[in-house]
Amino acid sequence: DAGVTQSPTHLIKTRGQHVTLRCSPISGHKSVSWYQQVLGQGPQFIFQYYEKEERGRGNFPDRFSARQFPNYSSELNVNALLLGDSALYLCASSSTSYEQYFGPGTRLTVT
Amino acid sequence: AQTVTQSQPEMSVQEAETVTLSCTYDTSENNYYLFWYKQPPSRQMILVIRQEAYKQQNATENRFSVNFQKAAKSFSLKISDSQLGDTAMYFCAFMTNLFGNEKLTFGTGTRLTIIP
Repeated sequence: DAGVTQSPTHLIKTRGQHVTLRCSPISGHKSVSWYQQVLGQGPQFIFQYYEKEERGRGNFPDRFSARQFPNYSSELNVNALLLGDSALYLCASSSTSYEQYFGPGTRLTVT
Repeated sequence: AQTVTQSQPEMSVQEAETVTLSCTYDTSENNYYLFWYKQPPSRQMILVIRQEAYKQQNATENRFSVNFQKAAKSFSLKISDSQLGDTAMYFCAFMTNLFGNEKLTFGTGTRLTIIP
């Protein structure tokens, strides 16, 4: 079975631009969560979606938004990029066991 | 607010030895879940083991086991017969799942190096 997939693997953006990151959960998983991991730190929770509804939001500015589609895949959008948004963005999916399974991440570099 | 503390930024151990990674947490909740995740240089976050707070028995998964002390809010990970493939960052994480929110709160991690 395929695990959580994320695209793209790596991208480079300029300050002020917009970025969209994509995530496909494990088949059968209806919950998707997004995390930001700055170099040298643990991941920080951004959003959780379940059945297309937002279940939780972390302490991130409104420049960050997300959505979940009927097939349970998800997008994370970041507007007006700042240098401080440079990080590894992780997507995780879960079923009903509270165990979250992570994708390989998208490395975002803002210059 | 929940917090997770990992007080050992780095550790190293000889191959085949046993190593214990420490984690403490702070919460006012009674029902919660605790996890250990491994992040090797490939950066893929891998679930190692989980513990439900209502269970008194410590979780084990092959060479990995935990020492869960609920009153002390301590959740350490023991790796037995360590292998070179165990070299990675290890993160302790906490979840309450209040109102269906499966937010994981992570510690700052412990970098573990297994020496051949």
